[in-house]
Amino acid sequence: DSGVTQTPKHLITATGQRVTLRCSPRSGDLSVYWYQQSLDQGLQFLIQYYNGEERAKGNILERFSAQQFPDLHSELNLSSLELGDSALYFCASSVGGAGNTIYFGEGSWLTVV
Amino acid sequence: GQQVMQIPQYQHVQEGEDFTTYCNSSTTLSNIQWYKQRPGGHPVFLIQLVKSGEVKKQKRLTFQFGEAKKNSSLHITATQTTDVGTYFCAGNFGNEKLTFGTGTRLTIIP
Repeated sequence: DSGVTQTPKHLITATGQRVTLRCSPRSGDLSVYWYQQSLDQGLQFLIQYYNGEERAKGNILERFSAQQFPDLHSELNLSSLELGDSALYFCASSVGGAGNTIYFGEGSWLTVV
Repeated sequence: GQQVMQIPQYQHVQEGEDFTTYCNSSTTLSNIQWYKQRPGGHPVFLIQLVKSGEVKKQKRLTFQFGEAKKNSSLHITATQTTDVGTYFCAGNFGNEKLTFGTGTRLTIIP
């Protein structure tokens, strides 16, 4: 158990819909990261927050947005969903920035039908 | 852009054989991390290398960071079935973004 909690674990939704994925980082971690992993694909960095502020941005689509709240939990919002958005979305956390060990949650499986 | 290339993409080895995966970057890395993802699981941190030419060992696993801090390798000696999974390197270019390689999926033939 990494200490990073993600909900929901599985989600099936239709094209055009909007979903929210939630992440609670490890106790004491200030950074939260979101990654997307498609079938047989690597880990695509989406975005990072540190103590409530956006710190780094990767290949995140405009249809996607995220935020980190004062209690440090984070949400990833995916809208106007397309079939290609079906993937495993990982949240990860670390004490500081990317030079620190990153601890991954178990992921949220999103299936768009 | 800042990318980390990892080869091979797949590796099938007989149990007991050695295994190596390589990571290369076109630009100097601040540090590099290695992760293992078991089938159906999430990536788990293995190790971080920071210094030029650094070599670290964890039982049968040997991690190396190149002198120029542009490449790294993970070598597993005498593979076991528990080594099955995908091994990712992740490079830090001095910014806040950790860039993952494409991963090497290791399968073991008993």
